Amino acid sequence: AQSVTQPDIHITVSEGASLELRCNYSYGATPYLFWYVQSPGQGLQLLLKYFSGDTLVQGIKGFEAEFKRSQSSFNLRKPSVHWSDAAEYFCAVGAREYGNKLVFGAGTILRVKS
Amino acid sequence: EPEVTQTPSHQVTQMGQEVILRCVPISNHLYFYWYRQILGQKVEFLVSFYNNEISEKSEIFDDQFSVERPDGSNFTLKIRSTKLEDSAMYFCASTAGENTEAFFGQGTRLTVV
Repeated sequence: AQSVTQPDIHITVSEGASLELRCNYSYGATPYLFWYVQSPGQGLQLLLKYFSGDTLVQGIKGFEAEFKRSQSSFNLRKPSVHWSDAAEYFCAVGAREYGNKLVFGAGTILRVKS
Repeated sequence: EPEVTQTPSHQVTQMGQEVILRCVPISNHLYFYWYRQILGQKVEFLVSFYNNEISEKSEIFDDQFSVERPDGSNFTLKIRSTKLEDSAMYFCASTAGENTEAFFGQGTRLTVV
């Protein structure tokens, strides 16, 4: 069965510090990979996506993610966190073979301290 | 920028009542989805819809649930007889094709009392 693991439930970083949120997946097909962000009470905003090609992808708000097939990972990074980045981040995986539905990780809540 | 819109943003209903959640997907999109997120839990797939029929549904999507695209723009999720455990945020999403990203609406928070 397809699954997505985000091992960190909560992460706290200082404003200006670097950030890495981990995502590992188990999928029986070539995956599409996404990171979404959700502020409290809000919807899901797409940060970045990977379908094929360059394994380092750039997204909005200064985020980037690297697809590592050998590690089944798609970790999200940002070199310098801003207080407005505090939110919940979801990794999601899809595949054409599975009808393009998304399987989400449990999410990582990011807290930013000043 | 085109967006997926959902109405209402919040609905409170009594247990056993029927509810209809509405979504207007992005106009040129072809694939439509419903997901739900119970408070504090992960986002879960409910159903996908393409070419006027359900293409896939999860175990959650039992006989109490149905979807419809009554006209060229709306995509609805109906829960026939709501239960307390149906309380959740329901997200509608749409995609233009098979290799494209899903755009999500802002969600409808359903509270069953």
